[in-house]
Amino acid sequence: GESVGLHLPTLSVQEGDNSIINCAYSNSASDYFIWYKQESGKGPQFIIDIRSNMDKRQGQRVTVLLNKTVKHLSLQIAATQPGDSAVYFCASNAGNMLTFGGGTRLMVKP
Amino acid sequence: GAGVSQSPSNKVTEKGKDVELRCDPISGHTALYWYRQRLGQGLEFLIYFQGNSAPDKSGLPSDRFSAERTGESVSTLTIQRTQQEDSAVYLCASSTDTPGEKLFFGSGTQLSVL
Repeated sequence: GESVGLHLPTLSVQEGDNSIINCAYSNSASDYFIWYKQESGKGPQFIIDIRSNMDKRQGQRVTVLLNKTVKHLSLQIAATQPGDSAVYFCASNAGNMLTFGGGTRLMVKP
Repeated sequence: GAGVSQSPSNKVTEKGKDVELRCDPISGHTALYWYRQRLGQGLEFLIYFQGNSAPDKSGLPSDRFSAERTGESVSTLTIQRTQQEDSAVYLCASSTDTPGEKLFFGSGTQLSVL
C-alpha cells in the first residue's frame, strides 16, 4: 500500500552496476503489476508491467520479477546509467484501481 | 491529445484563497485519477473517475477538496480556503476502460501556498 508521509528510501549504485529495486504488495488478489519511473519535476512514466500468469518479464535493460508466494515484486536495471537516477514506484491492482507503493530513490554515482 | 495535459504547471497562492487545477486526459480514456505528491514523498490517492459511475472520493483529505469531471473529458480539482499543508504537486492520470490497468500521468501542477 501507500507509504504516505514517509520519506523515500534511497538506493545508491555505481554507474555500470546492476540495480535491484524491491517492492512488497499486500493484496493476494492482485493480478497486474507495474513499475514507474519519476524524474525530478516530471510525472511518473511507465517502465514495464507484468501479469500474474508470469514470473519474469524483460524489457530494454530492465527486468521485472514477480514472486506471488511472498507477494514481492522487483525491478532490475542492468548497467545502470546516470539517466536512470529517479524515483521508482511499483503499483498493483486492487479491484478497479492501481495502488502505489511508497517509492525508492535511485542515485547513480559516476 | 497526445498525452495527459495539466494546467497550470505552477500555481502560487495565498493562504485562504481557492484554487482550481485542470486536467485534460488522453482522448478516449474513460478513467481519470488525481494524486497528491508532497516533496520527496510518494503518491497519495485523492479521487478516481470511471466513465459515468459515481467517483471514488475516498482519498480526499478534507471537505475543502472537491473534483468534477465533464463526461469523459476535462477534470478540475478545486481546493477551497487553501492551507500551507496543501502545498504539493498534484498529478492527474488517465487510463483506458480496463480497470486497474496502466495509467498515463501528466506532468503535474506544483501548488505553493504562502
